[in-house]
Amino acid sequence: KTQVEQSPQSLVVRQGENCVLQCNYSVTPDNHLRWFKQDTGKGLVSLTVLVHENDKTSNGRYSATLDKDAKHSTLHITATLLDDTATYICVVGVNRGSALGRLHFGAGTQLIVIP
Amino acid sequence: EAAVTQSPRNKVTVTGGNVTLSCRQTNSHNYMYWYRQDTGHGLRLIHYSYGAGNLQIGDVPDGYKATRTTQEDFFLLLELASPSQTSLYFCASSGGGGYAEQFFGPGTRLTVL
Repeated sequence: KTQVEQSPQSLVVRQGENCVLQCNYSVTPDNHLRWFKQDTGKGLVSLTVLVHENDKTSNGRYSATLDKDAKHSTLHITATLLDDTATYICVVGVNRGSALGRLHFGAGTQLIVIP
Repeated sequence: EAAVTQSPRNKVTVTGGNVTLSCRQTNSHNYMYWYRQDTGHGLRLIHYSYGAGNLQIGDVPDGYKATRTTQEDFFLLLELASPSQTSLYFCASSGGGGYAEQFFGPGTRLTVL
């Protein structure tokens, strides 16, 4: 059963527009949530991490929110650029008390930015 | 800047073939991981390690072995490759558990014919 669901599966926006990506999860206990950007054929690069209930983060044109009660996160990208074309992956971390927390990955949202 | 490298970047083998994927990290991280990424699925954990000589089983270990020879080097072994193992493989390292960031390598695309 998929424990991290992302929507939409894919999205096309025009350069300069804003967009919002969604992540819903059922992972428990949820320790933290991280958003990654994956360029085609490349590895994952962390954009931001959210740890606390109702956390909000900002990293340049990327901002994210986390609602642990609702088990929901959003990633906002403002004033999109062509270089934002990538897959954005939501990852929920579980800390089971051991030193190593297990990660649960969403399948990603493929964002395409067109001129 | 954290650095994780993988080799080869692309590999084609035949069913029943023997394949070794290599990963090296220069971050002095204790934790290393092997994942596979398939279309429509999130990354899935194959094996991971706390340090040299340590090996832990992940969520999809069948058909894979791994070995951590040093703190820097982590290998994934497919001794009898099958077409179902055609995938994009990522190695990652992190300095700890909790919400310590995992740093990913560029990936190895493996095709089993």
